[in-house]
Amino acid sequence: DAKTTQPNSMESNEEEPVHLPCNHSTISGTDYIHWYRQLPSQGPEYVIHGLTSNVNNRMASLAIAEDRKSSTLILHRATLRDAAVYYCILRDPPFGNEKLTFGTGTRLTIIP
Amino acid sequence: EPEVTQTPSHQVTQMGQEVILRCVPISNHLYFYWYRQILGQKVEFLVSFYNNEISEKSEIFDDQFSVERPDGSNFTLKIRSTKLEDSAMYFCASIWTPNGGNTIYFGEGSWLTVV
Repeated sequence: DAKTTQPNSMESNEEEPVHLPCNHSTISGTDYIHWYRQLPSQGPEYVIHGLTSNVNNRMASLAIAEDRKSSTLILHRATLRDAAVYYCILRDPPFGNEKLTFGTGTRLTIIP
Repeated sequence: EPEVTQTPSHQVTQMGQEVILRCVPISNHLYFYWYRQILGQKVEFLVSFYNNEISEKSEIFDDQFSVERPDGSNFTLKIRSTKLEDSAMYFCASIWTPNGGNTIYFGEGSWLTVV
């Protein structure tokens, strides 16, 4: 499996933007970049995913480097509810690796 | 928003007892998963299930574990003879098809404590 590297932890002030980086230098041309988060005592929750182009949804934005070797999850205005562990995960297309492989992720702390 | 539901939310069991954890995946999904997370550790893949059979399993998923889809809606994980080290949060997940662009949805988890 192609691996990802994320900082162990980050802090951000409430109502400020947060940029969570992820390096995936061995990404293959067909790997999708997925982001999940896990709030305390809850199951992993889908945040966003992309392949090549930047993506926006109601939760976040995903900025993908032109060479796809890194990406950044952007929370535009952090709230206390965004405090969670954020996982950057690569997934293959059909008949490839169908499961998610979780790393240690980035623990995001929001400061009120 | 569709959701995966799991029961029970918390179960305490004696070592050596059998435990069944239940999941109702999203209704039109075809692939199902169980993951576990020991307190303070990573989320670990256990097993994936498609078309009424296991499609992949990890080293953790040994002979004491089994999965079943008994009635077309429920998806169960059975642990035959629980050990202390089976204490963990168990997550069920489902996806329509495992296309890289599709989303895997997770349940809220079943917290298993073996005493």
